[in-house]
Amino acid sequence: QKEVEQDPGPLSVPEGAIVSLNCTYSNSAFQYFMWYRQYSRKGPELLMYTYSSGNKEDGRFTAQVDKSSKYISLFIRDSQPSDSATYLCAMMDNYGQNFVFGPGTRLSVLP
Amino acid sequence: EPEVTQTPSHQVTQMGQEVILRCVPISNHLYFYWYRQILGQKVEFLVSFYNNEISEKSEIFDDQFSVERPDGSNFTLKIRSTKLEDSAMYFCASSDRNSNQPQHFGDGTRLSIL
Repeated sequence: QKEVEQDPGPLSVPEGAIVSLNCTYSNSAFQYFMWYRQYSRKGPELLMYTYSSGNKEDGRFTAQVDKSSKYISLFIRDSQPSDSATYLCAMMDNYGQNFVFGPGTRLSVLP
Repeated sequence: EPEVTQTPSHQVTQMGQEVILRCVPISNHLYFYWYRQILGQKVEFLVSFYNNEISEKSEIFDDQFSVERPDGSNFTLKIRSTKLEDSAMYFCASSDRNSNQPQHFGDGTRLSIL
């Protein structure tokens, strides 16, 4: 079983849709969870950073962590064509070690 | 907003040559990292660096690789004798004074080995 799994997509949605992106993981030591957005030929850009289980909201983005299920989600409300990118989940343990990315989901928001 | 900068944006090198990739991390950050992304594949961790020494490295980071912080601002990745399979995007990242802070990434150097 891979350490972090993520549906690679591509995922295509119409503008204005709610997007749900998900990752599952196997290592129960992970405590910090992040979502990054990566545009073509650019580096990963930090979107959300959460600790342990719960929800965090920032503008149109909501991150959810369910440690009991080893499942994290990113929701994008009112999606825009500019949201078209690859979304990477990432996680690390309590000491900031074992940082690992998911393989990424390609999202296309169609105008 | 402060950012991580990397140079060059694209490096073309003959197989067997040495290459140095350069990074300027965010100025008050203390932890530094290198990652690699082969075209179409996931971002892979190479090495982390703190207090002038390697704190963690992956299996990819073999004897051909080395890192250095030659002065107060630069952080470099050296590949001693490049191979075709070293062709990839190389990303530098840095994080704040605690290692469990999120990492901020540069836009990468595309390394092409001929």
